[in-house]
Amino acid sequence: DAKTTQPNSMESNEEEPVHLPCNHSTISGTDYIHWYRQLPSQGPEYVIHGLTSNVNNRMASLAIAEDRKSSTLILHRATLRDAAVYYCILAMNRDDKIIFGKGTRLHILP
Amino acid sequence: NAGVMQNPRHLVRRRGQEARLRCSPMKGHSHVYWYRQLPEEGLKFMVYLQKENIIDESGMPKERFSAEFPKEGPSILRIQQVVRGDSAAYFCASSHGTGLITEAFFGQGTRLTVV
Repeated sequence: DAKTTQPNSMESNEEEPVHLPCNHSTISGTDYIHWYRQLPSQGPEYVIHGLTSNVNNRMASLAIAEDRKSSTLILHRATLRDAAVYYCILAMNRDDKIIFGKGTRLHILP
Repeated sequence: NAGVMQNPRHLVRRRGQEARLRCSPMKGHSHVYWYRQLPEEGLKFMVYLQKENIIDESGMPKERFSAEFPKEGPSILRIQQVVRGDSAAYFCASSHGTGLITEAFFGQGTRLTVV
């Protein structure tokens, strides 16, 4: 099964950009890259997803390496509310379920 | 359009009792997923259902746990004869299609405490 590797935790200062890395060296050609986050005491929340091209939405940007073996979630201006666990997930084309790894716990320093 | 609704938000059960957790998916969503999160741990997939069908229950414990998603009404996760180890947050998610392409929307969870 394709897997992702993320740092256990990261810190960033408030109002600065944050780059959250994810490695997925065994990704297959039709696997989508999804990002979710889970704020304290809440359910997970969809952030963004992409296949090959970089993607932008109101929450974040997703930069995908040309070989697709890694990607980076970019929060352009972190706020305290962005403190959460961020999950990088591969949507496998032979499974219908989202499998969460351990994610990256992002701490935002005021 | 209301989001995914789970109830109750908090549930306390004595050992040996039954726990029934309800999940109403977003309007128009026919795919429901249940996850369990133990304290300070990650989310573990339990079961994936479509209307009246269990598609994938590979994450469900073999005994005491069952799930359904009837034609009418919410999806129900039932835990019989609860034990202390069942204490956890249970999250439900729904989507238009599979989680492969479309985003999944999660509820706020039901926090089950077994005393």
